[in-house]
Amino acid sequence: DAGVIQSPRHEVTEMGQEVTLRCKPISGHNSLFWYRQTMMRGLELLIYFNNNVPIDDSGMPEDRFSAKMPNASFSTLKIQPSEPRDSAVYFCATSERSEQFFGPGTRLTVL
Amino acid sequence: SQKIEQNSEALNIQEGKTATLTCNYTNYSPAYLQWYRQDPGRGPVFLLLIRENEKEKRKERLKVTFDTTLKQSLFHITASQPADSATYLCALDGVGSGNTGKLIFGQGTTLQVKP
Repeated sequence: DAGVIQSPRHEVTEMGQEVTLRCKPISGHNSLFWYRQTMMRGLELLIYFNNNVPIDDSGMPEDRFSAKMPNASFSTLKIQPSEPRDSAVYFCATSERSEQFFGPGTRLTVL
Repeated sequence: SQKIEQNSEALNIQEGKTATLTCNYTNYSPAYLQWYRQDPGRGPVFLLLIRENEKEKRKERLKVTFDTTLKQSLFHITASQPADSATYLCALDGVGSGNTGKLIFGQGTTLQVKP
C-alpha cells in the first residue's frame, strides 16, 4: 500500500481564495483524521470520521472550514475564504485500530 | 480540559547515551498512550502504544513506561544514535473516543543526538 496520500503537497494562495486539500486513506482503514500543525499550537485535531461519518468536528476553527468524506477512499478539507492565519501544515491520518498513519501533509501558505 | 505537557526545550545528548523524554498529563485518565516520531517536513510516525494496565513496553532500543498515578509517561531510547534525532510526540486517546481512536497530541520534544 502507498500509505496515506495527500494533495497538493504545497499550496500558496491569496487571502480570500478557496482552498481544497485532498486525502486518500489507506485501504481498509475506517477512521480518518484531519490535523493542523503550527509552531505555536502544535498538532491540533480538526475533525475525524468513522466509516465515512463525521464524528467530532469540535476542532474546526470556524465556519470557513468544512470537511467531507463522500466514500471510503477520499476526503477533502475546504477553507473558504482563506486567511493568512490559516497558514500551516495540514495532515490527514487514518487508522484501523489505535495507531494512526499520517500522510506527508500539505503546506498551506495564505498571502 | 485535558492537558498534555512535554518538555518544550530541545534535549541534546551524546551518541551512545540513553535519552529520556517526559510526557505529563492532567484532568484525564486515558485508556492508552502513544508515542510518535516526526522528522522535519514529514508526518508523525507511530512508535509504541502502552495501555493503562501496562507499566512498561519495549521495542528494540525503545522503552516506554506509564504511571497512571503520577499521570506520566517516560520514553527512553537506549544507545542513542544521531539517526534518532527527531521530534517525539506523545498522544492520549481523547475523551469519548470510544473505538474511533481520536488522539490528543502533546507539543513534542526535539531530541538531538550528537556524534
